[in-house]
Amino acid sequence: AQKVTQAQTEISVVEKEDVTLDCVYETRDTTYYLFWYKQPPSGELVFLIRRNSFDEQNEISGRYSWNFQKSTSSFNFTITASQVVDSAVYFCALSGVNTDKLIFGTGTRLQVFP
Amino acid sequence: GAVVSQHPSRVICKSGTSVKIECRSLDFQATTMFWYRQFPKQSLMLMATSNEGSKATYEQGVEKDKFLINHASLTLSTLTVTSAHPEDSSFYICSASRTGGEAFFGQGTRLTVV
Repeated sequence: AQKVTQAQTEISVVEKEDVTLDCVYETRDTTYYLFWYKQPPSGELVFLIRRNSFDEQNEISGRYSWNFQKSTSSFNFTITASQVVDSAVYFCALSGVNTDKLIFGTGTRLQVFP
Repeated sequence: GAVVSQHPSRVICKSGTSVKIECRSLDFQATTMFWYRQFPKQSLMLMATSNEGSKATYEQGVEKDKFLINHASLTLSTLTVTSAHPEDSSFYICSASRTGGEAFFGQGTRLTVV
């Protein structure tokens, strides 16, 4: 069975702090995709990243970076120098390569205070 | 980039009535679309997979007679909540993907049944 666990329910930080959101997944597939989405209060899902299981290189995009560790089945997301606009719920998700349906984690609510 | 449009964004209906939600892929053809449901402060749960030209595939526990899905064209899927009740109040969101590509989400529909 596939499962995504985001153990952190809520995180509060002060602006300019770095914050890491954890994601641990379970799957029997040898090939799969991992995702991160941002959901601001308005509700829409904003795509942040998709990572193929074969690609274990870490990725950096501006203030965002992702650490994929296949050995520990983790795909953690770090925001550097957080800003108030980063406040949102962040979801980690998993899919197989032969399907586009996503299994979501329970989400982590990030609050960044000025 | 690809865009998925969902309409309406908000709807309030009386108990016992039916509500139709539309999901359109605006600049690509989507043979498969997905419908998710999100209760307040909870994760997104897949309800069903909408297949163009054939019957939808429902996840376990989702009543197919209550949540009617029609995928009549490659760019449009509809979800009809029939005989809505207050417990059906939720945030419904659709997604569509190009083959092998990332999933794009609609803006979501907040349904309130009074």
